[in-house]
Amino acid sequence: EDQVTQSPEALRLQEGESSSLNCSYTVSGLRGLFWYRQDPGKGPEFLFTLYSAGEEKEKERLKATLTKKESFLHITAPKPEDSATYLCAVQNGGTSYGKLTFGQGTILTVHP
Amino acid sequence: DGGITQSPKYLFRKEGQNVTLSCEQNLNHDAMYWYRQDPGQGLRLIYYSQIVNDFQKGDIAEGYSVSREKKESFPLTVTSAQKNPTAFYLCASSLRTAGLGNQPQHFGDGTRLSIL
Repeated sequence: EDQVTQSPEALRLQEGESSSLNCSYTVSGLRGLFWYRQDPGKGPEFLFTLYSAGEEKEKERLKATLTKKESFLHITAPKPEDSATYLCAVQNGGTSYGKLTFGQGTILTVHP
Repeated sequence: DGGITQSPKYLFRKEGQNVTLSCEQNLNHDAMYWYRQDPGQGLRLIYYSQIVNDFQKGDIAEGYSVSREKKESFPLTVTSAQKNPTAFYLCASSLRTAGLGNQPQHFGDGTRLSIL
């Protein structure tokens, strides 16, 4: 059974204080690892897809990296508008319909 | 603008009542999905559909039903058999995976269902 565990559950940062969120996973043949951002009362917003170990992707202050067992979402010099829940999900290489297994999310709060 | 529209934003269900949540997309995506989100838990898959007139059960389909009569629409009915329906329901769509399976899913803004 595929499993995704995100840590920490909650993270409080001061504006400008860089940090990382962790996503540990076990999956039978990783087809893709996805990062999403979710604001309160809204649906998840797609950020990145990572396909293989060693891959990195960047978008503004966010950088996602992937190893064979985990992914990190690095946040550089965060701003209050980066406050949100960040979700990680994996796609099993054995499925033909794109099923995602999600972690429980990390709630990020950035104080001014 | 292309996107996924879910309605209503808030919905209340009475005891013994069936309620239907709407999901419409204009992204020309073949695949559509329904997830349930509970506090402190990851999203869980209820039903999915890869093509019109075809749909499959996900991990927690009991007490739910769906239809896919049009490519753009994938309504979810929460039946009276679902004993714990209070949750945030999210609809998503993606390009048809056709075995590739790595196309990102795009989500609507959800419907929050509560029990009266």
